[in-house]
Amino acid sequence: GENVEQHPSTLSVQEGDSAVIKCTYSDSASNYFPWYKQELGKRPQLIIDIRSNVGEKKDQRIAVTLNKTAKHFSLHITETQPEDSAVYFCAPRRDDKIIFGKGTRLHILP
Amino acid sequence: EPEVTQTPSHQVTQMGQEVILRCVPISNHLYFYWYRQILGQKVEFLVSFYNNEISEKSEIFDDQFSVERPDGSNFTLKIRSTKLEDSAMYFCASSPQGPRGEQYFGPGTRLTVT
Repeated sequence: GENVEQHPSTLSVQEGDSAVIKCTYSDSASNYFPWYKQELGKRPQLIIDIRSNVGEKKDQRIAVTLNKTAKHFSLHITETQPEDSAVYFCAPRRDDKIIFGKGTRLHILP
Repeated sequence: EPEVTQTPSHQVTQMGQEVILRCVPISNHLYFYWYRQILGQKVEFLVSFYNNEISEKSEIFDDQFSVERPDGSNFTLKIRSTKLEDSAMYFCASSPQGPRGEQYFGPGTRLTVT
């Protein structure tokens, strides 16, 4: 079956530094690549997404890069702030078949 | 800004009982989804629904589960005979564009099976 791997599972960075989370997927037919942020006890919220015909997308401090050949996409957060502390999930999709990664817990250290 | 809503926020039920979880998607959305998240684990896809039909379902979504859109606003998930391992947070989501568009998640229903 399809497989989605996220690395690292936990990441601690100093406030102001950058954080990078990588998602590797196995289904080469995946065509939509979102990243979700989930704060404790809250719903997942989309923070950025990219489609298969684009290599990179940026929205202020957040960016996503996609390498379809290697089947991975990454979340980049620059100038991290305390409110970036959360669990981040990738969820590559093919049509309506969606598989979430196991999540990366990001801690922003003061 | 319109949001997906879910009721109840917390449901406690005994093993073997039937439960119905309710969702009101955003009004102009046509694609609907159910997910579950066992405490501390990843979000797992259960089912997608479009045009009054299931379009995709996962291995988790077995004969104990069913979905329905009984009227123009509600979207429900029924679990016929709950098991202890059904205890989880259940999220509903809706989307205007379906497979290649953003999904908007509801706040979730925490189901506890005792």
